[in-house]
Amino acid sequence: GAGVSQSPSNKVTEKGKDVELRCDPISGHTALYWYRQSLGQGLEFLIYFQGNSAPDKSGLPSDRFSAERTGGSVSTLTIQRTQQEDSAVYLCASSLGWSSLAGTQETQYFGPGTRLLVL
Amino acid sequence: AQSVTQLDSHVSVSEGTPVLLRCNYSSSYSPSLFWYVQHPNKGLQLLLKYTSAATLVKGINGFEAEFKKSETSFHLTKPSAHMSDAAEYFCVVSRRAGGGADGLTFGKGTHLIIQP
Repeated sequence: GAGVSQSPSNKVTEKGKDVELRCDPISGHTALYWYRQSLGQGLEFLIYFQGNSAPDKSGLPSDRFSAERTGGSVSTLTIQRTQQEDSAVYLCASSLGWSSLAGTQETQYFGPGTRLLVL
Repeated sequence: AQSVTQLDSHVSVSEGTPVLLRCNYSSSYSPSLFWYVQHPNKGLQLLLKYTSAATLVKGINGFEAEFKKSETSFHLTKPSAHMSDAAEYFCVVSRRAGGGADGLTFGKGTHLIIQP
């Protein structure tokens, strides 16, 4: 079946502009996650959504970052007033959440990412 | 918060020789542990994950990892390296202990180089 898809694959923007990054999770996955991968910081968790619960925003680096998930499916990550340090690859992942049987998190499947360059 | 430490930033082995990528974790109790691989210009792919069912976990492409609670380790091994194994490998743990979906905390990665 189809995996996690993200768009655009590449985005170049000017400092101070807003950008929106989109993620389409695997159908039926209740949990959706955003991460950021940069040379200096490695792979960092940003935010996750689980079902209809309030999102866990504890990884967002500043209030310029926000995300929403409409209808429990597609998610958009928005970065306002972009800065050069926001340049990174933004990764989305989805999963079935938690496995009570296995006592572990279900596998998170990652999309190909959006490469963001802020000039 | 739970964390992982990958002990080597780079590992170089000859094709056909064993691979060992080391990872130590910090967790208050039984963690959700994973190994992911990232090939150049490719997405992250799950190699294997630890569940409480077995301490020796077999993954894809001949990789396996052993969960050792006494040593708080989850090292990744493969008996015989192949050129196609050259990639970045990440040891990963759930951010927080306990049940429920959660974000992941990634190690800094180990770059595996395969010499012909």
